[in-house]
Amino acid sequence: DIVMTQSPDSLAVSLGERATINCKSSQSVLFSSNNKNFLAWYQQKPGQPPKLLIYWASTRESGVPDRFSGSGSGTNFTLTISSLQAEDVAVYYCHQYYSTPLLTFGGGTKVEIK
Amino acid sequence: QVTFKESGPVLVKPTETLTLTCTVSGFSLSDRRMGLSWIRQPPGKALEWLAHISSSDEKFYRTPLKNRLTISKDTSKSQVVLTMTNMDPVDTATYYCARTIVWLINDWAQGTLVTVSS
Repeated sequence: DIVMTQSPDSLAVSLGERATINCKSSQSVLFSSNNKNFLAWYQQKPGQPPKLLIYWASTRESGVPDRFSGSGSGTNFTLTISSLQAEDVAVYYCHQYYSTPLLTFGGGTKVEIK
Repeated sequence: QVTFKESGPVLVKPTETLTLTCTVSGFSLSDRRMGLSWIRQPPGKALEWLAHISSSDEKFYRTPLKNRLTISKDTSKSQVVLTMTNMDPVDTATYYCARTIVWLINDWAQGTLVTVSS
């Protein structure tokens, strides 16, 4: 299985400040034939299912605010919230869909307001 | 609009078999590129993929749980069923069904919290 490791486990950021979450995969999730990274980011608020934010490592899902951005390639990825809002308090998960059918998720990063 | 309705017990006893049903609307389980996965999340812990069924009825399972899981579908009823045998308290979790498009998990059901306790 591809192991997804997120860091940090949690972070506290002031409103309006930048939040950065890292995700490292144990193997590359870059598919060479189409040059796409099979990496997604989800946001999960308490009592709710995860919500897709980013796929192909950097493509925002429709309706996701542009303060959310994804970057990286191969084995190292980053989710950035450029200006943290109160409604962004949640747990964020990275997820690889390269090694199908063995889909795996990171351990999650909890984002709170400082 | 894609919607899900999960049904099944909220409490099962150790050694019993869990059966969960996911009824979908807004898409067909036979649509090419579509699939449906089951994912679980123990309280306060991370997400864990369990099983997947494709539009062509191919079935895939999480390797350590392969002997305990069965996934099936009834396309005419828009239903996917997951069974897990020999339930244990460590299987206590919220179980989600989720739609995939070419393996990307796009949409999630609300989830069912299943507690395993005698």
